Amino acid sequence: DAGVIQSPRHEVTEMGQEVTLRCKPISGHDYLFWYRQTMMRGLELLIYFNNNVPIDDSGMPEDRFSAKMPNASFSTLKIQPSEPRDSAVYFCASSLRQGIANYGYTFGSGTRLTVV
Amino acid sequence: QKEVEQDPGPLSVPEGAIVSLNCTYSNSAFQYFMWYRQYSRKGPELLMYTYSSGNKEDGRFTAQVDKSSKYISLFIRDSQPSDSATYLCAMRGTNKLIFGAGTRLAVHP
Repeated sequence: DAGVIQSPRHEVTEMGQEVTLRCKPISGHDYLFWYRQTMMRGLELLIYFNNNVPIDDSGMPEDRFSAKMPNASFSTLKIQPSEPRDSAVYFCASSLRQGIANYGYTFGSGTRLTVV
Repeated sequence: QKEVEQDPGPLSVPEGAIVSLNCTYSNSAFQYFMWYRQYSRKGPELLMYTYSSGNKEDGRFTAQVDKSSKYISLFIRDSQPSDSATYLCAMRGTNKLIFGAGTRLAVHP
C-alpha cells in the first residue's frame, strides 16, 4: 500500500486566495482525520470523518475552513479566503476502527501551506 | 490547562545514552496511550501503544503508563543518531486522539 497520499506537498498562496488540500486515505480505512501542526499549537485536530460522514468538526477554526469526503478514497480541506495565520503544515491521517488496539493512525507526509 | 502536557525540549544527548520522554494528562478516562515519532518534514508514525497501566517493551524502546499519577513515559536505550526526531505522546479521548506538543530529541555521535 502507498500509504496516505497528500497533495500538494507545498503550497504558497497570497492572502485572500482559495486553497484546496487533497488526501487519499489507505484503502479500507474507515476513519479520516485532518490535523494542523504549528510550532505554537502543536498538532490540532480539525475534523474527522467516519465512512465518509463528518463526525466532529469542532476543531475547524472558522467558517473559512471546510472539508468534504465525497467517497472513501478522497477528501479535501478548503480554506477560503486564506489568511497568513493559516500558514502551517496540514496532515491527513486515516485509520481502521478509530485507531484503537493495533490500528494507530497512519499519517500522510503533510502539506506545508504558506500564506503571504 | 491542556489535557496533555509534554515538555517540547529540545533534548540533546550523546549516542548510547538512555533517553526518558514524558507526558502528563488530566483526563482519568484515557485508556489507550501511544507514542508517535516524527522525523523532520514527515508525518508522525506510530511507534508504540499501551493499554491501561503497565510497561511494554519493543527492542530498545519501553513505554510505561502510570494511571494513578496520570503520567506516561517512553524510554530509549542505547540511543542512536537515527533516533533524532520529535516524539509525540497521544491518548485516546472520547472519539479521537489527543496529542502532546512533542519533544524534539537530538542524539549526537
